[in-house]
Amino acid sequence: SQKIEQNSEALNIQEGKTATLTCNYTNYSPAYLQWYRQDPGRGPVFLLLIRENEKEKRKERLKVTFDTTLKQSLFHITASQPADSATYLCALETSGTYKYIFGTGTRLKVLA
Amino acid sequence: SAVISQKPSRDICQRGTSLTIQCQVDSQVTMMFWYRQQPGQSLTLIATANQGSEATYESGFVIDKFPISRPNLTFSTLTVSNMSPEDSSIYLCSVAGDSGRGTDTQYFGPGTRLTVL
Repeated sequence: SQKIEQNSEALNIQEGKTATLTCNYTNYSPAYLQWYRQDPGRGPVFLLLIRENEKEKRKERLKVTFDTTLKQSLFHITASQPADSATYLCALETSGTYKYIFGTGTRLKVLA
Repeated sequence: SAVISQKPSRDICQRGTSLTIQCQVDSQVTMMFWYRQQPGQSLTLIATANQGSEATYESGFVIDKFPISRPNLTFSTLTVSNMSPEDSSIYLCSVAGDSGRGTDTQYFGPGTRLTVL
């Protein structure tokens, strides 16, 4: 069955460092992958989308990579700030349509 | 982008009762989705609700348990029927672009936190 794995343990890093979050998947060949941010008590907020034929996508301090051979996406936040503290979810498109399967998310805490 | 509101934001209900959750969008959209997010779990798609047609349910979810209405292009309701403690969860509605393709961004509501005693 299709499976998405994100590090369930919280990631703590110092302000100013680069945070790297991992999303691994199995039994799956998605054409698109998205990353979302979710704050406590709120719905997820879209951050970035990357296509299977794109190796890397950037938006301001955010960078996403997509390695279809390793079946892995990495999400980087450079020059991290305490305001970046949140849970980050990866989501993979399925069936070539609008439906996405979400990972469980990784909680990031940026320490001042 | 789309701004989505949900009512109620949270509720505590008794076993065996039903709760209807409302989702309001500030623009007309074709595709709306209902998700469940159980504590410490990922979002799970319950159903897709398109205006003018019956909702399409994902495996493990049935209409009798989660009836959905979609009366117009800006509104939808999800009812959680005959509730049990296992239904305690956050319920989220979302909308996406109208292309129906995987490139569409999804916009989520703030969620409804349901606790069943």
